[in-house]
Amino acid sequence: DAGITQSPRHKVTETGTPVTLRCHQTENHRYMYWYRQDPGHGLRLIHYSYGVKDTDKGEVSDGYSVSRSKTEDFLLTLESATSSQTSVYFCAISGGQVVFYEQYFGPGTRLTVT
Amino acid sequence: AQKVTQAQTEISVVEKEDVTLDCVYETRDTTYYLFWYKQPPSGELVFLIRRNSFDEQNEISGRYSWNFQKSTSSFNFTITASQVVDSAVYFCALSEEGNYGQNFVFGPGTRLSVLP
Repeated sequence: DAGITQSPRHKVTETGTPVTLRCHQTENHRYMYWYRQDPGHGLRLIHYSYGVKDTDKGEVSDGYSVSRSKTEDFLLTLESATSSQTSVYFCAISGGQVVFYEQYFGPGTRLTVT
Repeated sequence: AQKVTQAQTEISVVEKEDVTLDCVYETRDTTYYLFWYKQPPSGELVFLIRRNSFDEQNEISGRYSWNFQKSTSSFNFTITASQVVDSAVYFCALSEEGNYGQNFVFGPGTRLSVLP
């Protein structure tokens, strides 16, 4: 199994509060991704990173920001959480230098915004 | 734009039945990759297989087999002699070679329930 961890695994927060989710990998892979998974929508890409300090937006990036200061860590921040951001968040990495190959996923973070 | 369709939202079978999960994709690229993932009730996403667009050879792995047909843009997944542990949501995905970073597109998933 790919070495990907996410923290926290579960979080309940109130509307308007900032939230940061962390993804940590031990595979030294270049590409990292944040997805959200919602019923009826499948997996949707929020942001991705193609190297340290190199990030770009995905399909549903509004309300989210990311940072990657080290190869192994990719942070997802909700600046001011809203109820629509209640979801399960998955981090993923893609193997080595071949970005088109399979992505390996972390265990997920279940976020509830009340 | 690339797209993946999994027309079967939910399938229920009785244990030991064979079941096929359909996946139809759209892409303009000549080089692309297709994948299947499994998401069991515990929630993790497990990679099952990758196929390259230039390799239409079907693949068998134990009770799992995959049928890739470029002529119909399909990449179907068959489970033979299904077991209760096969109950999960299965996602088909497509990756295009020319679209860095945002190249991965997932289908909506098919929920498979295998009843004892």
